[in-house]
Amino acid sequence: EADIYQTPRYLVIGTGKKITLECSQTMGHDKMYWYQQDPGMELHLIHYSYGVNSTEKGDLSSESTVSRIRTEHFPLTLESARPSHTSQYLCASSHREYGSPLHFGNGTRLTVT
Amino acid sequence: AQSVAQPEDQVNVAEGNPLTVKCTYSVSGNPYLFWYVQYPNRGLQFLLKYITGDNLVKGSYGFEAEFNKSQTSFHLKKPSALVSDSALYFCAVRDIDTGFQKLVFGTGTRLLVSP
Repeated sequence: EADIYQTPRYLVIGTGKKITLECSQTMGHDKMYWYQQDPGMELHLIHYSYGVNSTEKGDLSSESTVSRIRTEHFPLTLESARPSHTSQYLCASSHREYGSPLHFGNGTRLTVT
Repeated sequence: AQSVAQPEDQVNVAEGNPLTVKCTYSVSGNPYLFWYVQYPNRGLQFLLKYITGDNLVKGSYGFEAEFNKSQTSFHLKKPSALVSDSALYFCAVRDIDTGFQKLVFGTGTRLLVSP
């Protein structure tokens, strides 16, 4: 079992609220990722990071933002949640070497009412 | 751009029978290929990968995958399915077109093993 933790596991909030999804890993991995998994199960990369103070947007446009102030911590923030943000959010990390597999957290299932 | 395709939304197999979950890939250059499994309400777990070497790759939980360059396929296999293998399976390829080399996932295949 990978040492990557996401909190909360489930979150139901009202429209317009600001939320932060937490992700922490204890493996010392340089690379971290946020994927959004829609009800059809497909995974879309929304943010990634090479290391501390590095953040990039992924393939799927997202209104969320991320920060990487510490190696082990990669939180995702939504300034004003909307129903269209309802989804499963998966955090992952990996070593920088080519071919290194990703280790995933158990996800946060977000519902915006 | 690198991509993978999983042509089957669902695969049904009886316990004890062999199983195959299909994946084809499209890459420029040498492919880095992966299989992941997702159980209900969990994140993805790494099963196995192919980078170079033997075309038959062995992974976790008795799974293996066969890399076939001429058919651009990387099918996941297991000789004898268990009910506990029922889950969602994702094939993925490393996108070498970007410096970050992120993983690009297929759309997933649901495996249902009946007792």
